Amino acid sequence: EPEVTQTPSHQVTQMGQEVILRCVPISNHLYFYWYRQILGQKVEFLVSFYNNEISEKSEIFDDQFSVERPDGSNFTLKIRSTKLEDSAMYFCARQKRNRKTQYFGPGTRLLVL
Amino acid sequence: ELKVEQNPLFLSMQEGKNYTIYCNYSTTSDRLYWYRQDPGKSLESLFVLLSNGAVKQEGRLMASLDTKARLSTLHITAAVHDLSATYFCAVDLSAMDSNYQLIWGAGTKLIIKP
Repeated sequence: EPEVTQTPSHQVTQMGQEVILRCVPISNHLYFYWYRQILGQKVEFLVSFYNNEISEKSEIFDDQFSVERPDGSNFTLKIRSTKLEDSAMYFCARQKRNRKTQYFGPGTRLLVL
Repeated sequence: ELKVEQNPLFLSMQEGKNYTIYCNYSTTSDRLYWYRQDPGKSLESLFVLLSNGAVKQEGRLMASLDTKARLSTLHITAAVHDLSATYFCAVDLSAMDSNYQLIWGAGTKLIIKP
């Protein structure tokens, strides 16, 4: 499977700042997901996105978070006002129409100071 | 509350030994995934189990799914150092009300000593 690209690979930001994380999907993949993993902890589902709409979101995905696919290609996760506890690895995942394996990108390591 | 529980959470074993990691889940699902994660890296898909009784094998790893018992196992045969990693199981809720998300276990950190 071709790799999913995520940018940036690392980001350091000040508390209260906005960050945008990007994921470059593959054209024949229809389902997109964002997950986060706080260092040393389990993977947590944030949001799923299908047909340019949010399909499902977790309790973590509050009003500070948003997702969109602004140009029909890149899939973005925006955190409007970052908090210290937002520091984590953020993974984008994608899935084909058959909805079997979710393929994960390399992740963006976000550090909020 | 939906739960996915893995055990053990930490496992240190010698090369050449066999062991099993267990994944119990509390909801109805017929899709379960196993992923591997190396330190500081992303999540690599190992197995997708899509039905009751599914068994898949790749090299020294074999995964199985019992949906009635809500249990999946990941069996390691004749472990080698390269298998050292953290292994996650994840339950797919998509069979329930089109709920598109994976619920993850806490992970099993596996260390294989030469």
